[in-house]
Amino acid sequence: DAGVIQSPRHEVTEMGQEVTLRCKPISGHDYLFWYRQTMMRGLELLIYFNNNVPIDDSGMPEDRFSAKMPNASFSTLKIQPSEPRDSAVYFCASKQASGPYGYTFGSGTRLTVV
Amino acid sequence: GQNIDQPTEMTATEGAIVQINCTYQTSGFNGLFWYQQHAGEAPTFLSYNVLDGLEEKGRFSSFLSRSKGYSYLLLKELQMKDSASYLCAVRDWDTDKLIFGTGTRLQVFP
Repeated sequence: DAGVIQSPRHEVTEMGQEVTLRCKPISGHDYLFWYRQTMMRGLELLIYFNNNVPIDDSGMPEDRFSAKMPNASFSTLKIQPSEPRDSAVYFCASKQASGPYGYTFGSGTRLTVV
Repeated sequence: GQNIDQPTEMTATEGAIVQINCTYQTSGFNGLFWYQQHAGEAPTFLSYNVLDGLEEKGRFSSFLSRSKGYSYLLLKELQMKDSASYLCAVRDWDTDKLIFGTGTRLQVFP
């Protein structure tokens, strides 16, 4: 099993540009979570999906952020337009519906907005 | 909502024992997790407690008291590779969301 796969690993972009982060969850996992990590605020849950359906997006900071999961094997997190304060590491995680051990994280995308 | 508190930093000596505490307040509790995160890497699962008591797994143990909203992670026979951040996280009963504390950065010295 390749685990949760995120791309790109690093992204540097200019303020105002659109940024798209990608995630492939573990096959068979029903839940997918997007987190953002900064030194000041730690790991914050942005949005999560169950069976490709967005369940809770209350953590999405602004309308500039959007997330989609068109199928069970792919999700995107988009920021448009990006701002310097969006600089952070963005993690995707997935889990199975049953059992407590399935929160597996991807390697993250380090986003820098200049 | 949920509020999770843990110390920001701790230091310890190789071979020693260290205890990292976590207190939480939650409207609906469905388990407490500990994750380890090395610098520049993803969090990795260490332990899970849903009932009161101690769970032991090799050099690592985790304790939970639901009535006190308290957990600790105990690391024995510390090794240099244990230098990392340790994240306490609570799962919400209603939503299944995993909410993290800000983490405790542990430095192990020779």
